[in-house]
Amino acid sequence: KQEVTQIPAALSVPEGENLVLNCSFTDSAIYNLQWFRQDPGKGLTSLLLIQSSQREQTSGRLNASLDKSSGRSTLYIAASQPGDSATYLCAVGTDSWGKLQFGAGTQVVVTP
Amino acid sequence: GAGVSQSPSNKVTEKGKDVELRCDPISGHTALYWYRQSLGQGLEFLIYFQGNSAPDKSGLPSDRFSAERTGGSVSTLTIQRTQQEDSAVYLCASSLLGGGNTEAFFGQGTRLTVV
Repeated sequence: KQEVTQIPAALSVPEGENLVLNCSFTDSAIYNLQWFRQDPGKGLTSLLLIQSSQREQTSGRLNASLDKSSGRSTLYIAASQPGDSATYLCAVGTDSWGKLQFGAGTQVVVTP
Repeated sequence: GAGVSQSPSNKVTEKGKDVELRCDPISGHTALYWYRQSLGQGLEFLIYFQGNSAPDKSGLPSDRFSAERTGGSVSTLTIQRTQQEDSAVYLCASSLLGGGNTEAFFGQGTRLTVV
C-alpha cells in the first residue's frame, strides 16, 4: 500500500528565506505527483503537477522536483513571503483513474 | 462555473439524521472525486466517477455512505444515519479526463459537524 510522508510537519522561517518542503512515498510506481496549498478553513489549491515521466516543474517562485527511484519530491519556494503561510500537501497519483494518496502536510509560517 | 462549487459550506446535523452534500464540478470535466479530511486522519479518498463508467467506491467507509452523479455533472454524497465520527470536511475535486496525468482541482469543501 502506498504511503506518503511529509517532513517536517511544521516549519517557521523569516520572510525572504527559501522554503524546502519534502515528500516521500513508498511505492515508486506512481502516475503523477501533485503539490497543493491549503489555507485555514479552505479547500486545496493546486500548485504544481509533475507527471511520472518528468523530473521537475516550475511556476514563478515555485519549483518541484521528482525522483521516482528514490521515492522523493521536493517543493522549493524562493524568497518566501508572509502570504506563503499555509499548509502544503503533496499527493501521488496511485492509479490510471487519477486517485490521489495524500501526505499529512507541512504547516508553514513565514514571519515578517 | 469557474471552479468546483460545493454546498453547503457548513452543515450541522443531529446524530442519526441523513445529510446530502452537493458538488458541481468545473464545466467539461469528466472525472469527479470525493475525499474526506478528518482531524488526525488527513485526506482520504472516498469515491471516483469517470464519464459513464461504473464508479470506484473502494474508499467509502461504510454502507451508510453513497454517492451519485447525474448527467455526468453534479454529484451528491449522501450519508445516512450520521454518526459523530462522520464529522469532517468533505472535499470534491474534478479533472478534465481523469487518469494519471491530469490535474485535480478542488472545491472549498463542506464542513460537516454531527452533534
